[in-house]
This record gives sequence, structure tokens and C-alpha cells, in this order.
Amino acid sequence: NAGVTQTPKFQVLKTGQSMTLQCAQDMNHNSMYWYRQDPGMGLRLIYYSASEGTTDKGEVPNGYNVSRLNKREFSLRLESAAPSQTSVYFCASSVTPTDEKLFFGSGTQLSVL
Amino acid sequence: GENVEQHPSTLSVQEGDSAVIKCTYSDSASNYFPWYKQELGKGPQLIIDIRSNVGEKKDQRIAVTLNKTAKHFSLHITETQPEDSAVYFCAAVRFTSGTYKYIFGTGTRLKVLA
Repeated sequence: NAGVTQTPKFQVLKTGQSMTLQCAQDMNHNSMYWYRQDPGMGLRLIYYSASEGTTDKGEVPNGYNVSRLNKREFSLRLESAAPSQTSVYFCASSVTPTDEKLFFGSGTQLSVL
Repeated sequence: GENVEQHPSTLSVQEGDSAVIKCTYSDSASNYFPWYKQELGKGPQLIIDIRSNVGEKKDQRIAVTLNKTAKHFSLHITETQPEDSAVYFCAAVRFTSGTYKYIFGTGTRLKVLA
């Protein structure tokens, strides 16, 4: 049972390049989330998907788009990367939007030069 | 705005000693308070949590206390071991707009010295 799997683990981009971060969970959870983690700022919510077919903005959505491809997969896309998007990105899932417990993936470390 | 203050940012203890990490939250509607442990290169993992109708919860060497009046909650680790070395995050959580909203603290790097 892998839990929440994120790819890639590391990525370096040049300013203006685009890329998609992939996330998949095998726990049959309904809700999925994307967070970014920056030094001294804790974890901040970018987007979430309460259930398959729905997505909503979180605290810091600007510069990102998401796709809930199916119940298992939730991707995060940077259309035109900026240095301010250098961060560690975590995907998480929960059973339902009304279940408090979050389960995190191992993260993607992204550097934008 | 809503925030969670977490202290200290770094903490070094000798193996076998106790460690205490404190968080203060601002949103009085928060009613769930989890603690996460993040080891190097890994994602945060839930280690203990407490709800607002409980003052204290213990799980082996780990305990969490909550003072809802003062909006404080703390993580206590007794008999620390080298494998306790990690970054610990607290969070204050409330239910809003059909889902749970998490506000995370900024993390505490705990080093247990052998």
C-alpha cells in the first residue's frame, strides 16, 4: 500500500517553462490537496479537490492550475514558472472533505532559476 | 488574519530528556489540533491529534495538551530518542465551506543528541 505518491521528487526549471506535478493515491480517498512549503512559512494550501470532478482555490492559487483526472489522481500545473514558485510541493489526501486527517506524499522539490 | 505561532523554531535536547513544543492559534472556531512529524526527505506524518472537547491526550511517549481558553496547545515528548529528530508541525483546523481548513505553524526542528 503506497499511500500518496508524487512525481517527480526533484525538478529544476528555467523562468517561463511549464511543468506538471503528478500525484496519485491508492487509499480510495475522495479529497485531495496541493500544498507548498516555504522556509519559515509552514504549509500553505494551493488548490484542493473535495471530490472527483470538483476543484477549488486555496490560500495561494495564483500561477497554478489543477486537474482532478480521476478519483486517484490530482495534478498541479505551472504554466509559466517564476522564481517565486521555488518551493517544496506536497500532495495530500483525506477520506472525505469532512474527515480531518490528512495523509501526505513525500514531496517535490522545485527550483525555478 | 488567522495564524498559528509555533515555538521554538529549533530545539536541541539530550537523549532521554523531554521536549516541549508550543503553539498558539488565533481562530476561535478551530476545533481540531493535529501534530505532524516530518523526517528528512519525507512528507509530514500525523503523530497525534486532539479535539477541542479534550484537554489532554497521550500516546506512549507523546502527549498533547490543549487550553482552549488561552488558545494554546503543546506537544510533549518524553524520554527522547535519536529517531525523534525531525521537524514537527502543529495545525489549527476548523470546518468551513464544506471542508476542513488547516492553518499550519512554521515548524520546530528537534535535534536529539546522543
